Amino acid sequence: AQSVTQPDIHITVSEGASLELRCNYSYGATPYLFWYVQSPGQGLQLLLKYFSGDTLVQGIKGFEAEFKRSQSSFNLRKPSVHWSDAAEYFCAVGAREYGNKLVFGAGTILRVKS
Amino acid sequence: DTGVSQNPRHKITKRGQNVTFRCDPISEHNRLYWYRQTLGQGPEFLTYFQNEAQLEKSRLLSDRFSAERPKGSFSTLEIQRTEQGDSAMYLCASSYLSGSNEQFFGPGTRLTVL
Repeated sequence: AQSVTQPDIHITVSEGASLELRCNYSYGATPYLFWYVQSPGQGLQLLLKYFSGDTLVQGIKGFEAEFKRSQSSFNLRKPSVHWSDAAEYFCAVGAREYGNKLVFGAGTILRVKS
Repeated sequence: DTGVSQNPRHKITKRGQNVTFRCDPISEHNRLYWYRQTLGQGPEFLTYFQNEAQLEKSRLLSDRFSAERPKGSFSTLEIQRTEQGDSAMYLCASSYLSGSNEQFFGPGTRLTVL
């Protein structure tokens, strides 16, 4: 069965500090990988995606993520966090073989302290 | 505005009533997905359409739930005889069937069943 694990429910970082959010997946097909961000009461905004090729992908708002097939991971990073980054972050996987429907992790809530 | 729109944004209903939600996808997108998100969880797949054809339904979609996309444009999701456990955010996403099938999400409809 397909699954996504985000082991950290909450993370608190200081403004200006670096950030890494973890994501591990279990999937029976070659996955497409995504990171979405959700502010309270809002829909999901795509930060970045990986389909193939370079395993280090750049996204919006200064985020990047690295696909590591051997570790089944797709961790999200940002070198310097801004207060406006406080939100909930979701990792998701999909595959053409499964109709591209997305399987999401439970999310990580990021708090930024000044 | 060319994004995905959903109406209503909020719906409060009494247990046992029927409710219907509408999703208007990005106009050139031929795939449309419905997800449900409960508090503290990531979105869970419910169903998806390619044009007007409903291609897959999750086991989460009980027989009280029905979705349509009659002309391959907007979609409706109806819940009959609502239960308190149906309280959730219902998210719609659309994509174009090519390549990565990147999904764009609407703002969601928050349902509260009293």
